[in-house]
Amino acid sequence: GDSVTQMEGPVTLSEEAFLTINCTYTATGYPSLFWYVQYPGEGLQLLLKATKADDKGSNKGFEATYRKETTSFHLEKGSVQVSDSAVYFCALSRYGGATNKLIFGTGTLLAVQP
Amino acid sequence: EPEVTQTPSHQVTQMGQEVILRCVPISNHLYFYWYRQILGQKVEFLVSFYNNEISEKSEIFDDQFSVERPDGSNFTLKIRSTKLEDSAMYFCASILLAGNTDTQYFGPGTRLTVL
Repeated sequence: GDSVTQMEGPVTLSEEAFLTINCTYTATGYPSLFWYVQYPGEGLQLLLKATKADDKGSNKGFEATYRKETTSFHLEKGSVQVSDSAVYFCALSRYGGATNKLIFGTGTLLAVQP
Repeated sequence: EPEVTQTPSHQVTQMGQEVILRCVPISNHLYFYWYRQILGQKVEFLVSFYNNEISEKSEIFDDQFSVERPDGSNFTLKIRSTKLEDSAMYFCASILLAGNTDTQYFGPGTRLTVL
């Protein structure tokens, strides 16, 4: 079945460091790919998405490119801030039938230190 | 900006009791979902709902669970007889259409604690 694999956390970085969180997926067809972020004590917020191969999603300085050849959707940011500390979830949805449920990875905790 | 709301934010109950978690999806959305996240684990799909019926459910969503849209705005998840392992954060989500490019919007979650 469909699945998402994320790198294990926690990831601890200093402010202004470069961030990469790896995400790979297994799915038939052409899923849409998402990154959601969960700040402490809050719900899930969409960070960015990409709906077809080679698309790049971007938001708030974060980027991820949909790579079909490597089935990957790695999250990157050039310079992280303390306020980026959160749990990041990679997810996919594959439209089929009457639903497009989201399948999530395990989440990666990012801790940014000043 | 429209948002999904959920009540209560935290629910504590005794094992074997019934609980109802409530959600108000975004008003013009047509598809509704419940997910859960056991502490420290991944977010898991429970059920999707469209046109007043379940469109898909996971193996987690057994006979103890039910969903309902009792009026034009609320979407509820009922757990008939709670177990300790039902303790989790429950998220409601909604989407305008279930097309491949659409985005699900999540509520802030209800933390359910079963004692």
